[in-house]
Amino acid sequence: AQSVTQLGSHVSVSEGALVLLRCNYSSSVPPYLFWYVQYPNQGLQLLLKYTSAATLVKGINGFEAEFKKSETSFHLTKPSAHMSDAAEYFCAVSATNDYKLSFGAGTTVTVRA
Amino acid sequence: NAGVTQTPKFQVLKTGQSMTLQCAQDMNHEYMSWYRQDPGMGLRLIHYSVGAGITDQGEVPNGYNVSRSTTEDFPLRLLSAAPSQTSVYFCASRETGTANTGELFFGEGSRLTVL
Repeated sequence: AQSVTQLGSHVSVSEGALVLLRCNYSSSVPPYLFWYVQYPNQGLQLLLKYTSAATLVKGINGFEAEFKKSETSFHLTKPSAHMSDAAEYFCAVSATNDYKLSFGAGTTVTVRA
Repeated sequence: NAGVTQTPKFQVLKTGQSMTLQCAQDMNHEYMSWYRQDPGMGLRLIHYSVGAGITDQGEVPNGYNVSRSTTEDFPLRLLSAAPSQTSVYFCASRETGTANTGELFFGEGSRLTVL
């Protein structure tokens, strides 16, 4: 079975500061890993995904994540936060031989002017 | 491109009432699923389907029924609503087989309140 743990339910950053959202996963087989973003009252939108190619994955809106097998981590970063980055972010994992996606509890990001 | 369409967007029920949340996708995806989203718990899988006529239970199936008579549609039924089913429900679909990149495509959600 696959599972995800997101460290920190809320993160507050200043505009222009680094955004770092932590995600650790558990999987008995090689995983697919994802970060989704949810803006208020909207559905989830894919930010980026890792599917066993390059370990550093670049996504939309300047976000990137690095797959570290030894640490079972897939942390999300953005060098400079923008007000529009305020949203809830979800890390998710699925097994390469399975269709089901397991989500973390989510991290809400607020950006201070 | 419509993608994944959910109806209704909002619904208020009384305890014991029944209703169906509709989900339709126009991407010819074989895989469809229903999640519920609750504060601090992320999204939890209710039921899923890997093709017409095939459904299976997810993490939290109790109190919900599904059917998949066509590739396009995957309705979620609440037979006797309970306050614990107050939540935001998301339908999602994806490719299968060699076209599968793992990415789920989500609808905009259906907010259900059970009084």
